[in-house]
Parts: sequence; structure tokens; C-alpha cells
Amino acid sequence: ETGVTQSPTHLIKTRGQQVTLRCSSQSGHNTVSWYQQALGQGPQFIFQYYREEENGRGNFPPRFSGLQFPNYSSELNVNALELDDSALYLCASSVRQGAGETQYFGPGTRLLVL
Amino acid sequence: AQSVTQLDSQVPVFEEAPVELRCNYSSSVSVYLFWYVQYPNQGLQLLLKYLSGSTLVKGINGFEAEFNKSQTSFHLRKPSVHISDTAEYFCAAGQGGSEKLVFGKGTKLTVNP
Repeated sequence: ETGVTQSPTHLIKTRGQQVTLRCSSQSGHNTVSWYQQALGQGPQFIFQYYREEENGRGNFPPRFSGLQFPNYSSELNVNALELDDSALYLCASSVRQGAGETQYFGPGTRLLVL
Repeated sequence: AQSVTQLDSQVPVFEEAPVELRCNYSSSVSVYLFWYVQYPNQGLQLLLKYLSGSTLVKGINGFEAEFNKSQTSFHLRKPSVHISDTAEYFCAAGQGGSEKLVFGKGTKLTVNP
């Protein structure tokens, strides 16, 4: 148990729709990162939020956006869903330490786009 | 750009045998290295990490890894595996402060009786 929860666990959407995925971090963790894990691949970094501000972004288009709230929860929003967005979405929370901090992962939300 | 290569996509072994899962990274600056395990239908759990200091790092569940700067490797080892070690293992690298982790594609370890 990492103390990080995500909802929903599974989700089915159709192409063009919008989706919001939620994450609840460990209390006191001021940083949340989101990753996309396609089938058979390692997780890929989407973006990171630190104290409610975006703090780094991977190679994902602007239709991927996020929010971080003061109560240690966060959201990943994806607009105009495409078939290739089907994946496991993982959030990870951590405490900013400046070097090699441990990221604690949630169980993920599995998104299927039809 | 930083990259992480896991040389074996699948590793089958028998119970109580030793295992080594290989990981190489590319970077011209200091890196921080991690091994995570993912059991079916679960998120990632940290096994161990290397930040600095001793090149031999011990983690949970009897795993250890050795950082080799000259070979840019961070191989994971366990002297005797159990059926319960069957899972997917990911090597990851981070740079600098609270930044993204770059993951390898994973190695699926299957422990057979």
C-alpha cells in the first residue's frame, strides 16, 4: 500500500469524448506526477504538478491537462480522445527534496477508447 | 535525451534459482536510478534506488542492484527467487531534482516451480 488512490479503476470512452481521472496523494506530498503506460510498455511521463503549478511536461499534446488541489488531490483531463489514448494512467506522489525523491504510485486507471 | 534500456523483455527462471535483470542507462550527467516492480493489475512499487555513495544497493524482498558508472548499468539481482516474485520489473532514471522518471520497457520475470 502506497497511500495513493486513483479513481475510477476502469473507464470506457469513445473517440472524441473527454475524460477526467482522479488521484488522491499521500498527505503532505506536495508533488504529483502523471504517467501513461501503454500495453507492453514502460510508463511515460505526462506532466508534474508542484504546489498546484505545472512543473515539467513530457511529450504530450495540450489536450492533456491537469490540476492539483490543496487537499492533495489532483486530476488528469484528456480532451478529444483518440484510440491511442487507451492505456493505464498512473499518478505518483512525492515530497520535493531536490534529488532522487521516491515517487509513490497509485494502482492506476485503465482507459479504453473505442 | 536520457534513455533507459532493459535488455531482456522476458526472463523465465525456476524457483530458488538466482536471477539478474539487466538495465543500462544513457546520460552525461549524474542520475538517480530506481527499480520498480508491478504485479498484475497493480501500480508500481519501489524495490530500491541509487542516489549516491555505495554502488551496491539493497532493497526489499531480498533484491539488490549494483550501480556501475563505467558501464552505465544498474542490474537487479536476487540470489534465490520465489514464485511470488513473478511480476514485471521496471528500471527508471531521474535527473536532478523533482523531475520526470524515464522508464525502460520492462522485464517480465516468470518464476516456475
